[in-house]
Amino acid sequence: NAGVTQTPKFQVLKTGQSMTLQCAQDMNHEYMSWYRQDPGMGLRLIHYSVGAGITDQGEVPNGYNVSRSTTEDFPLRLLSAAPSQTSVYFCASTKDRTGGPSPLHFGNGTRLTVT
Amino acid sequence: EDQVTQSPEALRLQEGESSSLNCSYTVSGLRGLFWYRQDPGKGPEFLFTLYSAGEEKEKERLKATLTKKESFLHITAPKPEDSATYLCAVIGNSGGYQKVTFGIGTKLQVIP
Repeated sequence: NAGVTQTPKFQVLKTGQSMTLQCAQDMNHEYMSWYRQDPGMGLRLIHYSVGAGITDQGEVPNGYNVSRSTTEDFPLRLLSAAPSQTSVYFCASTKDRTGGPSPLHFGNGTRLTVT
Repeated sequence: EDQVTQSPEALRLQEGESSSLNCSYTVSGLRGLFWYRQDPGKGPEFLFTLYSAGEEKEKERLKATLTKKESFLHITAPKPEDSATYLCAVIGNSGGYQKVTFGIGTKLQVIP
């Protein structure tokens, strides 16, 4: 099992450019989410999805878009990159949509630098 | 608002020197507390889930315990391969979705 796969591993963007971070999982998990991890701060939720066609905002959604057309894929789009979006981005999934707490399965992250 | 505070921020141990990491939390209706391990350049890897005060879980040299206000991750006779950042996270009663609040983590270094 591959688990959660994220691409690319590294990316450098110029301010104003757009890009899509890819995330795919092969565990048939309904719930998928995007986090960003910054020094001195805990992981913060950007967007999440509880199933195909359903997405919602997390704690820090501004500047990001998501869609969920299949159970497997949950891409994160940066519309117009800003230096404040320099971070490490993690995609995570879990089997429970909203019910009893289940652990998140994380990808290995995308390190994004915006200059 | 749910909050998670981990201490210490960094811990340096000699191989074989046992110690504990602390996770203090404030949450409205705890549904679960998680411990994760994160290696440099990798995503967090799940270690334990604890659901209620008094619960304990063990895995090799690690033992996690839970009270109503905090959780401890005890590391017995650590080895260099235990070096990593350990993250604590909680899920509270947030109205139906997986709202997970993470701590900043404790960076553990075990010296041979």
